[in-house]
Amino acid sequence: SQQGEEDPQALSIQEGENATMNCSYKTSINNLQWYRQNSGRGLVHLILIRSNEREKHSGRLRVTLDTSKKSSSLLITASRAADTASYFCATDAGYGQNFVFGPGTRLSVLP
Amino acid sequence: KAGVTQTPRYLIKTRGQQVTLSCSPISGHRSVSWYQQTPGQGLQFLFEYFSETQRNKGNFPGRFSGRQFSNSRSEMNVSTLELGDSALYLCASSFRGNEQFFGPGTRLTVL
Repeated sequence: SQQGEEDPQALSIQEGENATMNCSYKTSINNLQWYRQNSGRGLVHLILIRSNEREKHSGRLRVTLDTSKKSSSLLITASRAADTASYFCATDAGYGQNFVFGPGTRLSVLP
Repeated sequence: KAGVTQTPRYLIKTRGQQVTLSCSPISGHRSVSWYQQTPGQGLQFLFEYFSETQRNKGNFPGRFSGRQFSNSRSEMNVSTLELGDSALYLCASSFRGNEQFFGPGTRLTVL
């Protein structure tokens, strides 16, 4: 079974609005990562947050991690049409463990 | 540095045939992972190779196999293709097993 579960499955917002996506997982992790995928293409790494970190920023992205609740959120501020993509969280449980991806959130940013 | 490259980008095969996909990682990356992505199952981990050794394997039948060469290039083979093997196959390389860099994928269609 998949470890990471994103919600919502789909999100539609207007340009300039903020988009928040959530990810829940089941077991202990070393780190959690967020990726973006434009339609039918490879994934692009956005941000990595380690298990001992609570919040991380990168440009318009803000990621939080709550290990007690086994959840993470990705906030994209001031969204643009170019942010339209699917967003996946992936959990890394450490050496010898494979990455586990959630089903993804499809974000549509309308101009 | 050049990114992860995958060949071929598109492939059409018929049931019962076999197929070999190739992945060239980013120079210096010794870890290569393979994923299958389908609309129904999402991103599923196939296997990971590190220094020519399979380090981890997902829950796929033995028809799916892989290998890694001394230059870190990796190949994935699927024998006796089934309709359900139609998917986007993604390869990712990493340096220390944290952030993964994905290739554009190979779109396999089985008729």
